[in-house]
Amino acid sequence: GAVVSQHPSRVICKSGTSVKIECRSLDFQATTMFWYRQFPKQSLMLMATSNEGSKATYEQGVEKDKFLINHASLTLSTLTVTSAHPEDSSFYICSARREGRLLYGYTFGSGTRLTVV
Amino acid sequence: DQQVKQNSPSLSVQEGRISILNCDYTNSMFDYFLWYKKYPAEGPTFLISISSIKDKNEDGRFTVFLNKSAKHLSLHIVPSQPGDSAVYFCAARGGSEKLVFGKGTKLTVNP
Repeated sequence: GAVVSQHPSRVICKSGTSVKIECRSLDFQATTMFWYRQFPKQSLMLMATSNEGSKATYEQGVEKDKFLINHASLTLSTLTVTSAHPEDSSFYICSARREGRLLYGYTFGSGTRLTVV
Repeated sequence: DQQVKQNSPSLSVQEGRISILNCDYTNSMFDYFLWYKKYPAEGPTFLISISSIKDKNEDGRFTVFLNKSAKHLSLHIVPSQPGDSAVYFCAARGGSEKLVFGKGTKLTVNP
């Protein structure tokens, strides 16, 4: 089956530093990847959609200069939280869209717990 | 404005009984609905889905019902097992293949 690997699973960083989160599709090519953020007891909120080789499309209210997304290949997308602050602490999850697989085509990574101190 | 709503934050049922998880939506343009199961600190796992042109889809112990006129769908789990205890998210597919999620319902199945 489709597997999406997300690293790191958890990270603690100091305020003002940057953190990179990787999302890899291990056994399929993902033309589209989605990045979500989840606050405690809340829904998964879509942050941005990235397509291989093109700029990411950000949802309203998401700062593109703060959350840098790179989708350099069909199997790798990265999210970099720049100049992180405590309010950026959250659970970040990526999802890869498998081309041609409609109903089962959204595979999620295991998530990254970011804590900014 | 929340387009996908799961109004019950939690549900507790006895093992062997039926679990019914509900979801309401507002956008009539959604074309597919999906249910995901999620454990703490893990990503969601796909369970079952239904096209907007159907009213029922069944897969083993899981059945999803869609009532388009009421903009309502439900997930039935029969029989419920302790291993089903998790948070269940309802999601709807809109434009650009984006998924819109509800806030989730925490299901606890008691032995």
